[in-house]
Amino acid sequence: DTAVSQTPKYLVTQMGNDKSIKCEQNLGHDTMYWYKQDSKKFLKIMFSYNNKELIINETVPNRFSPKSPDKAHLNLHINSLELGDSAVYFCASSQGLRSGDYNEQFFGPGTRLTVL
Amino acid sequence: SQKIEQNSEALNIQEGKTATLTCNYTNYSPAYLQWYRQDPGRGPVFLLLIRENEKEKRKERLKVTFDTTLKQSLFHITASQPADSATYLCALLLSGGSYIPTFGRGTSLIVHP
Repeated sequence: DTAVSQTPKYLVTQMGNDKSIKCEQNLGHDTMYWYKQDSKKFLKIMFSYNNKELIINETVPNRFSPKSPDKAHLNLHINSLELGDSAVYFCASSQGLRSGDYNEQFFGPGTRLTVL
Repeated sequence: SQKIEQNSEALNIQEGKTATLTCNYTNYSPAYLQWYRQDPGRGPVFLLLIRENEKEKRKERLKVTFDTTLKQSLFHITASQPADSATYLCALLLSGGSYIPTFGRGTSLIVHP
């Protein structure tokens, strides 16, 4: 059973398009995240949701909009895609944010987004 | 400014030797520090957590140290194997906040048979 799954694995699209990436976790975790990993492998937090509520929104353009329909899902919608959005996007989940002891991140396999 | 520094150059070692990877940080006061392994084309996988009041943590062939005075963590893999070849990321979890990890860029480890 896959703990954290993402679809699609690869996404190639033209500049200006709108696209979505879906994420699901079956670990029963309270908290889910979106990270962006750029070409230099720098992994940076974008958003964090705890029990469907947005708690972290780093300096990300408002073209990026996360949506959490329930605790097990956190989708990422991107409007008006730009060349600089090309990266690998990782979804992750953790038990919660009460303490660092519970914040081991479980990552999905990643979605490689290429904007042409 | 705040920085997390991991060696950007790959570490090449011979099978059977001990690999030592370094994570240095400035202008952070982490309550916890995590280490992850990332293989090409995959998401990072959690390996170890160490708390600020712990000096050392071990798990099988892995050992992590945490020196809050030096602002440094060392990650050791003893009796290294080619299968240990991967990128290793350190991540800081800050107290007084949400404990969301802030990641370093990672160091690539290559173990030669």
